[in-house]
Amino acid sequence: SQTIHQWPATLVQPVGSPLSLECTVEGTSNPNLYWYRQAAGRGLQLLFYSVGIGQISSEVPQNLSASRPQDRQFILSSKKLLLSDSGFYLCAWSGDTWNTEAFFGQGTRLTVV
Amino acid sequence: AQTVTQSQPEMSVQEAETVTLSCTYDTSESDYYLFWYKQPPSRQMILVIRQEAYKQQNATENRFSVNFQKAAKSFSLKISDSQLGDAAMYFCASSRGRGSNYKLTFGKGTLLTVNP
Repeated sequence: SQTIHQWPATLVQPVGSPLSLECTVEGTSNPNLYWYRQAAGRGLQLLFYSVGIGQISSEVPQNLSASRPQDRQFILSSKKLLLSDSGFYLCAWSGDTWNTEAFFGQGTRLTVV
Repeated sequence: AQTVTQSQPEMSVQEAETVTLSCTYDTSESDYYLFWYKQPPSRQMILVIRQEAYKQQNATENRFSVNFQKAAKSFSLKISDSQLGDAAMYFCASSRGRGSNYKLTFGKGTLLTVNP
């Protein structure tokens, strides 16, 4: 069966420090991968999605970047965190057709101080 | 751009009663799926129900059912016999496209409170 792992679960980082959140998927090949951010009262905001290795689409211009160095690995990064980067980050995967749902990781609560 | 709108930021229901959560969407695709996800306090996203756009029959999963109105682009979720465990944030989502054009879009969510 397929599983998705996301870590760390909680992170407190100072302003200006770098960020690296990692997500890996097991049990499937060539998944679509997503990074969402959930801020209070703002629902799920799609940040990045990837349909293959090295293929990243950015939905919202911001202080973050994403990379997919391997088929089932998706990384969210920042060189210098801002206070506004605080939030709950969710990684998800899905198949690449329209008739498939997304499966989510446990999420990372990021607090920038 | 594909959009999903949930017009009710918060809803409440008495235990054992029925509640309906609203969702509208906008798409130009002919093939797409619609989903309702539940996010309990643990924040783990759980799929509640899914609807195929080309099927006119409304999907049901135990106490959960949808009212899918394709022409109106409306996709509401009905929860019957509400239980305390139904308290959660509920997200409506739609998928579109195939392959490299595939995308899943979520609404902003409705926070459901179940009162004992």
